Amino acid sequence: QKEVEQNSGPLSVPEGAIASLNCTYSDRVSQSFFWYRQYSGKSPELIMSIYSNGDKEDGRFTAQLNKASQYVSLLIRDSQPSDSATYLCAVNSGNTGKLIFGQGTTLQVKP
Amino acid sequence: GAVVSQHPSWVICKSGTSVKIECRSLDFQATTMFWYRQFPKQSLMLMATSNEGSKATYEQGVEKDKFLINHASLTLSTLTVTSAHPEDSSFYICSALNYGYTFGSGTRLTVV
Repeated sequence: QKEVEQNSGPLSVPEGAIASLNCTYSDRVSQSFFWYRQYSGKSPELIMSIYSNGDKEDGRFTAQLNKASQYVSLLIRDSQPSDSATYLCAVNSGNTGKLIFGQGTTLQVKP
Repeated sequence: GAVVSQHPSWVICKSGTSVKIECRSLDFQATTMFWYRQFPKQSLMLMATSNEGSKATYEQGVEKDKFLINHASLTLSTLTVTSAHPEDSSFYICSALNYGYTFGSGTRLTVV
């Protein structure tokens, strides 16, 4: 079992729709959870971090965390073509500080 | 904000040669640096963790004698790919742990 799992997609949504990205993780002691966006050939850029159960909103983005289910998600409202990218879920691994990434979900927002 | 400068951004080298990649934290001290490798259409795979002044810790399956990591100062960590081969061609990214994770811009290595 992979430590962090995502559906690789591609996930295709029309412009203006809500995109829902999901991630599960295996390490129950994980405390920090991150969503990154990565464009081809570029370094990942942080979109959201979340540390406690529930929802966290930042503009068009909402991260949701459920530690009991070991599940974290990212909602993108009013999706724009510029949101088309690979979205990486990352989990801090226990007390080591290591950041472990899922395989990423490719999002395509069609005009 | 925190910035990690990674150089070179791309490099082409001949098979059998060595390549050094540098990551510098410009406005903070990076006690811990993580090194990742990313193959096309795959995710970032953690290679090793380096802590200033001590030996790096390598992930399972990563050859420590091939991927030499030096973290001699709080602002500089280097990754040297020794005796590079075409299968080492990849995108290498560093990430410094400060109050969060600050990523370098990545190095595209092509071994011919």
